[in-house]
Amino acid sequence: DVKVTQSSRYLVKRTGEKVFLECVQDMDHENMFWYRQDPGLGLRLIYFSYDVKMKEKGDIPEGYSVSREKKERFSLILESASTNQTSMYLCATTLPRGETQYFGPGTRLTVL
Amino acid sequence: AQTVTQSQPEMSVQEAETVTLSCTYDTSENNYYLFWYKQPPSRQMILVIRQEAYKQQNATENRFSVNFQKAAKSFSLKISDSQLGDTAMYFCAFRDSNYQLIWGAGTKLIIKP
Repeated sequence: DVKVTQSSRYLVKRTGEKVFLECVQDMDHENMFWYRQDPGLGLRLIYFSYDVKMKEKGDIPEGYSVSREKKERFSLILESASTNQTSMYLCATTLPRGETQYFGPGTRLTVL
Repeated sequence: AQTVTQSQPEMSVQEAETVTLSCTYDTSENNYYLFWYKQPPSRQMILVIRQEAYKQQNATENRFSVNFQKAAKSFSLKISDSQLGDTAMYFCAFRDSNYQLIWGAGTKLIIKP
C-alpha cells in the first residue's frame, strides 16, 4: 500500500511566523502535490512537483513556496503566516500519468 | 476554464437506502478521467471509483457505481445499500490533459441508523 505521511495533524502558529509542512511518501512516486481544503471550495492546488528540485505553481501559490530536495519528500513553506492561511492542507502523490492520487492525512493549520 | 460542480452540499439517508450524488463538469477535452473520492471524518481521502471518458460502460465497484453521461457532462455516484461507514465528504474530480485534478466543492453525506 502507498503510504503518505504529513508531519503534523494539527498545528497552531502566530501571524508572521514561518511555517513548514512536510510530506513524505514511500512509493517512489514522481509526482507530489500540495492542496488546501476549505469548506465549500473543495481542494485547490497550491504547488506540485514532477521530480526532485522541480516545482510548478498551481491555482493559488501566493504566500506559499515549496521545496523538493529528495524524491520522497515535498515541503510546503508559509514564509510569513497570515490568518487567511488557516486551512486544512493535504499532500498527495501519484505516478507519472497515474490516474489515482494518494493522499496524506492532512494538516489542520490555525494561524492566530 | 474547466470546472466541476457538485450541487448538493449535504445529503442524508437512512442506512440500507440507495443514494445518488450528482456531479457535472465542463470541458472541451475529449479524453479525460473522472473520479469520486471519499473523505471520512478525520480520515484520509481515498479513491472510490474512476471512469475513463472513452469507455462507454459505467464503472462499478461493489456497492458504488456511476452514471456517466458524456454528452450531458454528468457523472453521478450511486451508493447502494448504504452503510454507516459511508458517512463522509464525497468529492467529484476531473483530470485534465496535464494530469492535474480539478475538484468539486464536495457533498457531505450522512448515513442515519
